[in-house]
Amino acid sequence: SAVISQKPSRDICQRGTSLTIQCQVDSQVTMMFWYRQQPGQSLTLIATANQGSEATYESGFVIDKFPISRPNLTFSTLTVSNMSPEDSSIYLCSVEAEYGQYFGPGTRLTVL
Amino acid sequence: AQSVTQLGSHVSVSEGALVLLRCNYSSSVPPYLFWYVQYPNQGLQLLLKYTSAATLVKGINGFEAEFKKSETSFHLTKPSAHMSDAAEYFCAVSPGGNTGKLIFGQGTTLQVKP
Repeated sequence: SAVISQKPSRDICQRGTSLTIQCQVDSQVTMMFWYRQQPGQSLTLIATANQGSEATYESGFVIDKFPISRPNLTFSTLTVSNMSPEDSSIYLCSVEAEYGQYFGPGTRLTVL
Repeated sequence: AQSVTQLGSHVSVSEGALVLLRCNYSSSVPPYLFWYVQYPNQGLQLLLKYTSAATLVKGINGFEAEFKKSETSFHLTKPSAHMSDAAEYFCAVSPGGNTGKLIFGQGTTLQVKP
């Protein structure tokens, strides 16, 4: 399995600001994924991040709102830009490893 | 298009009773199917995975799931519930095989009564 860490674990932010979430993996992986889990709901894929190329966004998510960086095979960041209360969610990064897809502990974001 | 439906948003069982969490999928290609568990205020933990090998898949913590193509189901079971099994359970399907992009069901909250 892969060990994934995220920073910060939680944050409370003001409307209109931006937050960058970091995801670190203990091994090199080709693809990393960012998911959102809105309060009381299931997970929705935001985008797929490959090292050395632009992230691929799912329907309903755009780069201007959720810019992603993937500078190497063990690290990625997701920025939530110009935040509104509707962005309050848990954001999780994920990687595909030998046995399956593994998730980080998540970043719990509250936007006031 | 692939989709996942989990029947029952809340399931309540007594400690020691059988746990059955239902999941039906829709997929135009042979799917990879997953069950994840999320404990309160924690991330997701992979319970088990089906990848077109054995139809009965055994996972961690005594859970298992059976892939039934004719019923397009992948129900999760455990013979005897433990208090520590109380959590949110998610069924997920991977379109096109092990690409890593998962489509999740809405989740089922399992309550275990003493």
